[in-house]
Amino acid sequence: EPEVTQTPSHQVTQMGQEVILRCVPISNHLYFYWYRQILGQKVEFLVSFYNNEISEKSEIFDDQFSVERPDGSNFTLKIRSTKLEDSAMYFCASSDRTAGDYEQYFGPGTRLTVT
Amino acid sequence: RKEVEQDPGPFNVPEGATVAFNCTYSNSASQSFFWYRQDCRKEPKLLMSVYSSGNEDGRFTAQLNRASQYISLLIRDSKLSDSATYLCVVNKKAAGNKLTFGGGTRVLVKP
Repeated sequence: EPEVTQTPSHQVTQMGQEVILRCVPISNHLYFYWYRQILGQKVEFLVSFYNNEISEKSEIFDDQFSVERPDGSNFTLKIRSTKLEDSAMYFCASSDRTAGDYEQYFGPGTRLTVT
Repeated sequence: RKEVEQDPGPFNVPEGATVAFNCTYSNSASQSFFWYRQDCRKEPKLLMSVYSSGNEDGRFTAQLNRASQYISLLIRDSKLSDSATYLCVVNKKAAGNKLTFGGGTRVLVKP
């Protein structure tokens, strides 16, 4: 069964450093998303991406964040200068408009720890 | 008012019993509804979409009440493996297809 994959599974970084989280969406999907979940809190939407551009972004997704689809398979989230409060689980998801109500399938996540 | 509200639980359920819980949403423009399941420190996994007519998938039954703006999930013949947090999720199907998550309802099935 096709699945979304993410690397790394855990990333530890120092405050102020740049991090890039990587995702490989399901191969025939066209819509890509990033969500995050701070420990003990609910899953929050960050950004959606379609046709090589951002479709929607949340208030969390400020100038420190960017997304990119550098090739035909990868989808990345970059945080330019990490803050302590960026520590969270980051989930990538993808969907295909032909799959019911745009059902989104999530990757296993990257746990980001900012020290 | 929160966009999606759920009773956090936990719901302690004897194995084999039936458990049901609801979720309310505030935005009447919401168009798609889902139940996801999340195990501790894992990703949300799609359990089922929720349709206006109600739908069933094995031991799981979902209902949608648009007039009262709530969604329900019923689990019959609970298994130990059903222990998880169940996330109510809505989608306004706007340009970005953003999902809005509830805080989750924790279910613990005990022998």
